[in-house]
Order: sequence, then structure tokens, then C-alpha cells
Amino acid sequence: KNQVEQSPQSLIILEGKNCTLQCNYTVSPFSNLRWYKQDTGRGPVSLTIMTFSENTKSNGRYTATLDADTKQSSLHITASQLSDSASYICVVSGGSQGNLIFGKGTKLSVKP
Amino acid sequence: DTEVTQTPKHLVMGMTNKKSLKCEQHMGHRAMYWYKQKAKKPPELMFVYSYEKLSINESVPSRFSPECPNSSLLNLHLHALQPEDSALYLCASSLMGGYQPQHFGDGTRLSIL
Repeated sequence: KNQVEQSPQSLIILEGKNCTLQCNYTVSPFSNLRWYKQDTGRGPVSLTIMTFSENTKSNGRYTATLDADTKQSSLHITASQLSDSASYICVVSGGSQGNLIFGKGTKLSVKP
Repeated sequence: DTEVTQTPKHLVMGMTNKKSLKCEQHMGHRAMYWYKQKAKKPPELMFVYSYEKLSINESVPSRFSPECPNSSLLNLHLHALQPEDSALYLCASSLMGGYQPQHFGDGTRLSIL
């Protein structure tokens, strides 16, 4: 069954600290993996997208990694800011119909 | 500001009302999507339009009726909704269907009384 599992479910960190969010998937065949940031009451905004051959991709303070062999991805946030408080959703594209399979997200709270 | 515009931002309606949600994009994208998102859950795909034709209907009840008048517009017509239909309805678009990155609007927050 095609699934995307994210951990932790929620995370609280202090402003300025780094954190890493995890995503494991069982989607096959695999096409690409995306990380989205969703602020409360807003639509998801794409942070990174990686294909099978890409191991890492950065977008400012956000760095995503992908290990296609172990089917794991991580999103590392450096020097967190209060505005990083949001849900971070891992989405894998693939499966027999090229569908998007969403993880349940990690809710990140950055405290001053 | 998002490049996918949804209106209205909020909608409250009774179970017997008829209303429509609207979505617009001017990025030249040829695939457009409707998602439903309940609180603390990921978005769930409802419909996909590709080149203005309905390509995916994820077994959505007939009280939701999508329409794609042209390549820039996507509507979702609502009739006789149930309280459990209260949710955030997200529109998204992509250059083409399949594996393309999707751009989301900010959604319409729908409440059914």
C-alpha cells in the first residue's frame, strides 16, 4: 500500500535552534518527493521538490535530503524563526496513477 | 500572495442552500485540482481537470459538482451539503497533470449549519 509517514507529529523548539523533520514512504513506483509548508488558514506552499537522482536540495534555511534506497527524506530547518511555525507536509508523487500521496504533516511551533 | 486565487475566503451556508466556490490562475497551467482538508489532516483529492476535462473524480458525492469553464477558471458548485462537509477547500494548479509541482490557493473555509 502506498503510504507516507511523517515524524514527529508535533515539535516545539526555541527560536534560533535547528530542527529536522522526517518522512518515510512506501510509494512505488516513485517519481518525486515534495515538502510543503502550510501556515494556519493558508494553502500549502512548496519548499522543495526532489526526484530520484537528487540527494539534497536547499531553499534558504530549509534543506531537504532524499535517500531513495531507504525511502526516507528529511527536512532540516536552520536557525528557526517564529514565522517557521506551521505544518510541514511531505508529499510523494508516484504509484500506479502518478497520484500525490500526502503525509499527515508535522506541526512545528517555534517559541521565543 | 498566492498565484492561485480562491473566492470567497469564508462561506457559511445552510444545508438547503446552493453556492459556488471559485478558483482562478493565470500561470498558463493546464491542470487544476480541488482538495478537501479537515482540521489537522492532510488535503484529500476530490477532482482533477486536465485541459478543461475532468480526468479524476475520487468518488465524491454528487452534492459537489465541479466545472471548468476555461483553462484559467475552476468552480465547485455546492448543493444540499451536510455538516460533515465543513472543511477548508483548496484549489491547486500545475503546468500539466501527473508529476508536476502543484501551486495551491489559500482555500475557502466552508461551514455548513
